[in-house]
Amino acid sequence: GAVVSQHPSRVICKSGTSVKIECRSLDFQATTMFWYRQFPKQSLMLMATSNEGSKATYEQGVEKDKFLINHASLTLSTLTVTSAHPEDSSFYICSASGGAFPDTQYFGPGTRLTVL
Amino acid sequence: EDKVVQSPLSLVVHEGDTVTLNCSYEVTNFRSLLWYKQEKKAPTFLFMLTSSGIEKKSGRLSSILDKKELSSILNITATQTGDSAIYLCAVDRQAGTALIFGKGTTLSVSS
Repeated sequence: GAVVSQHPSRVICKSGTSVKIECRSLDFQATTMFWYRQFPKQSLMLMATSNEGSKATYEQGVEKDKFLINHASLTLSTLTVTSAHPEDSSFYICSASGGAFPDTQYFGPGTRLTVL
Repeated sequence: EDKVVQSPLSLVVHEGDTVTLNCSYEVTNFRSLLWYKQEKKAPTFLFMLTSSGIEKKSGRLSSILDKKELSSILNITATQTGDSAIYLCAVDRQAGTALIFGKGTTLSVSS
């Protein structure tokens, strides 16, 4: 149990386009989802915390107009990188908590975004 | 199928105890193994291990990788209540692929 999926696993896009990444909890209801990004050889950096049905809370330095997060249901959160630029190229990882284990984060496998 | 397995899943100790957390992996194109500490919010990076047999230390924490056994251990000596957290192990594979995380070990240190 407690499986989190992300889609797509890898995406390459042109500069200026928008990319949507989905994060799904497959077998539990995720009241909270977290979005991280990870640059090579660095730790995960929390971007935002998303609670179902409410606006996401963004970490300092993260542009909420650029990284749109929607948590419309208890099993799905989306991150949209708008007007992507090469510096947005990174691993984006989501995690989810809720159900029987509210204090545990279950990570998705990550999405590799490459902006050309 | 690539996988990372951590043990134990949870551990309760008293302050001052020494603990050893285990991580084993089966992955193709292994590049490095990472340890994270997760408290209330984002996991914080602890160690990255790429070479077998070389111990990395940071204060009371240390870790070592055994590529022959496809495993790593994280040691914490003289534990403190502030060490209570979930410790995540993850494996980095070839470039362009996502990290594979273990499910974590929940450590509780009582005073």
